Amino acid sequence: DVVMTQTPVSLSLAIGQPASISCKSSQSLLGTSGKTFLNWILQRPGQSPKRLIYQVSKLYSEVPDRFSGSGSETEFTLKISRVEAEDLGVYYCWQGTHFPHTFGSGTKLEIK
Amino acid sequence: EVQLQESGPGLVKPSQSLSLTCSVTGYSITSNYWGWIRKFPGNKMEWIGHISYSGSTSYNPSLKSRISITRDTSKNQFFLQLNSVTTEDTATYYCALGGFAYWGQGTLVTVSS
Repeated sequence: DVVMTQTPVSLSLAIGQPASISCKSSQSLLGTSGKTFLNWILQRPGQSPKRLIYQVSKLYSEVPDRFSGSGSETEFTLKISRVEAEDLGVYYCWQGTHFPHTFGSGTKLEIK
Repeated sequence: EVQLQESGPGLVKPSQSLSLTCSVTGYSITSNYWGWIRKFPGNKMEWIGHISYSGSTSYNPSLKSRISITRDTSKNQFFLQLNSVTTEDTATYYCALGGFAYWGQGTLVTVSS
């Protein structure tokens, strides 16, 4: 299975500060289609997970543009330009290139 | 709007089978892929498997001998059956649209005697 390693485990940031979360995969996530199926989801407290980013850097329509994704092959990053209160929760990267699909261990974002 | 809703027993005895239903509105399950994911106590997430628009299935090899995902297109529902459960199967189970673009609210299943 592809192992997804996420760091840091937790972040504690004030409103307005930038955030950066790293996700590294044990194998390249570049698929035979030429697409890289590295995605990000956010689970807020008491809620089900919500979609954020797909194929490394594509934001879903409802996601604020303070979020961005980047990376290639085995190293990926989620960035928040300025953290807002609604951004708290656990962020997961997950890969859909290889079966079985696998998730990172999560990064908990707390607001100071 | 796409909505998914899990249902099923919240408590299952060890060695028995866990059966969950995912009811979908706003999108036909004869399109796209439909999956099951579980989140263990703590933060670990695990992909269980999915069923495609054509009814073909793909399972996590770690569970393959114990799981079955089926569907009822007339009711726009798909199902998870997990056999021979142990306490290690205690988790919140989610159904989701392929690509995890939409998720159900999740249902906590506890395996305990």
